[in-house]
Amino acid sequence: EAEVAQSPRYKITEKSQAVAFWCDPISGHATLYWYRQILGQGPELLVQFQDESVVDDSQLPKDRFSAERLKGVDSTLKIQPAELGDSAMYLCASRGQGSYEQYFGPGTRLTVT
Amino acid sequence: QQQVKQSPQSLIVQKGGISIINCAYENTAFDYFPWYQQFPGKGPALLIAIRPDVSEKKEGRFTISFNKSAKQFSLHIMDSQPGDSATYFCAASKETSGSRLTFGEGTQLTVNP
Repeated sequence: EAEVAQSPRYKITEKSQAVAFWCDPISGHATLYWYRQILGQGPELLVQFQDESVVDDSQLPKDRFSAERLKGVDSTLKIQPAELGDSAMYLCASRGQGSYEQYFGPGTRLTVT
Repeated sequence: QQQVKQSPQSLIVQKGGISIINCAYENTAFDYFPWYQQFPGKGPALLIAIRPDVSEKKEGRFTISFNKSAKQFSLHIMDSQPGDSATYFCAASKETSGSRLTFGEGTQLTVNP
């Protein structure tokens, strides 16, 4: 069964350091999403890609967060500098063309100390 | 603005009982309503979903009931099992906004043996 892959699974970093997360969507899925999930809450969208283009980054804190999907396949989300409030689960999801269904990866649990 | 409200926050059910989780939405443009199941430390897994052109959808022990006029939908888990103990999230999306998911706050379900 095809799955969304994410790495690392866990990341501990110090405040003001840079951190990066990687996502490989289900093969053939053109739409890719990055969500952030604070403990005890539902995921919230950070950025959405259609192929290599950003179609929605209205909720992305652009002063410190960046995201790219250069070849329209895998994607990287970066935080620089990390802040204590960035501690959360970062989830990647993908969706196939013409489908409503979004499939999530296992997430990256970020702890900022 | 919380566009999808979920209740209850937590639910305890005996094995074999029925678990019922409710969600209400505000945006009448939403056209897709999925439920996700999430175990600790894992990404959300798509459980079942419904479009607003039907009032009910059943898959195994899981049923979604949808009331378009009331802007409400619910998840029913029949014959609940201890393995169903997890956090459940309702969500909603609309195709015109790239199908970004707006999640409810989540329900922590515990099924006692």
